[in-house]
Amino acid sequence: GAGVSQSPSNKVTEKGKDVELRCDPISGHTALYWYRQRLGQGLEFLIYFQGNSAPDKSGLPSDRFSAERTGESVSTLTIQRTQQEDSAVYLCASSLVIGETDTQYFGPGTRLTVL
Amino acid sequence: SQKIEQNSEALNIQEGKTATLTCNYTNYSPAYLQWYRQDPGRGPVFLLLIRENEKEKRKERLKVTFDTTLKQSLFHITASQPADSATYLCALNTDKLIFGTGTRLQVFP
Repeated sequence: GAGVSQSPSNKVTEKGKDVELRCDPISGHTALYWYRQRLGQGLEFLIYFQGNSAPDKSGLPSDRFSAERTGESVSTLTIQRTQQEDSAVYLCASSLVIGETDTQYFGPGTRLTVL
Repeated sequence: SQKIEQNSEALNIQEGKTATLTCNYTNYSPAYLQWYRQDPGRGPVFLLLIRENEKEKRKERLKVTFDTTLKQSLFHITASQPADSATYLCALNTDKLIFGTGTRLQVFP
């Protein structure tokens, strides 16, 4: 079956614009995660979903960031009024369940550049 | 404070040698630890998981150890190949998976 897909693969936007990033998880995976990875840095946790609920939003950097998930499937990460420091690769991952061994399967990421 | 440390400097080794990467953590008590591989421009790919009650786990040329007393995991690649060149990330399970910053491995012929 297909892996995790993300779109767009690249996004260039102007400072102050809103952007929407999309993640299609592996079919049947109930858990979905968003991470941010700045150049040469590790993965920064943003938010995760269990089903359509987001029990942990603690990683969202500011109120300009929001995410939703519908139908226990697709998720969108929205960044409003983008800033240059938002430039990074945004990675999505999914796992079968959240539990003892939530091995995560990652998408290829969306590279966001804010000019 | 909680911290996961991986050597930020790249590890350069010759083909055929064993590469050893280190993951140290403080103020966590993870039930398990995972290792991922990340190639440039790609998302991480899961390699191995080791539980707190396991001392060692092997998969082909890969070996992981987990010492909960030292709060350390070692990741070994034996008979390394240039194709093993990548960044390797460790991740701890708490209420969510927390990733280290990764160590870049370069295997040269």
